[in-house]
Amino acid sequence: DVKVTQSSRYLVKRTGEKVFLECVQDMDHENMFWYRQDPGLGLRLIYFSYDVKMKEKGDIPEGYSVSREKKERFSLILESASTNQTSMYLCASKGGGGRIYEQYFGPGTRLTVT
Amino acid sequence: DQQVKQNSPSLSVQEGRISILNCDYTNSMFDYFLWYKKYPAEGPTFLISISSIKDKNEDGRFTVFLNKSAKHLSLHIVPSQPGDSAVYFCAAGSTLGRLYFGRGTQLTVWP
Repeated sequence: DVKVTQSSRYLVKRTGEKVFLECVQDMDHENMFWYRQDPGLGLRLIYFSYDVKMKEKGDIPEGYSVSREKKERFSLILESASTNQTSMYLCASKGGGGRIYEQYFGPGTRLTVT
Repeated sequence: DQQVKQNSPSLSVQEGRISILNCDYTNSMFDYFLWYKKYPAEGPTFLISISSIKDKNEDGRFTVFLNKSAKHLSLHIVPSQPGDSAVYFCAAGSTLGRLYFGRGTQLTVWP
């Protein structure tokens, strides 16, 4: 079974802090994704990565950056946390190849910025 | 602009009855469609999928129907059970790799 783990289930940070969210997958997947989920807005893609050291902006990249130094690990960075970044953050991974579509999700990190 | 739309934010169904969740998409390049189920405080889990070359895929109580001409898909759950109560997300993808998700439908199955 694919396992995607996220470093924290719940996190509380102050406005202006730099925040790191870590995601690790154990299936040697090439592709990794960061989403945020907000009520009524569904899953919105922040950033994704097709390979180590590669990154692509998703639909809402503003205020975020990412790092992928190793294949199994994909980090989301909030450079200066703001209250509008309070959300559920979800990491996902999927295998390579153009015909593989299913993404596997981690349990999520509920981030509160005060 | 949203490429995948779930126009019903919520659906309430009695246990044992059929639940029908709907999804519309705009991009004709999508060639694969998926449904995910999400419980509170958990990540989404894959439920069922369908390729654009098919019009129906069935897995136990879950069936997904695809109408390409209408750019519409639906998820049927028969019979519905209280444990099916969750948020259901429709997603669509192409060979470009990323998925596009709808905003979700909260299904409540009551006894």
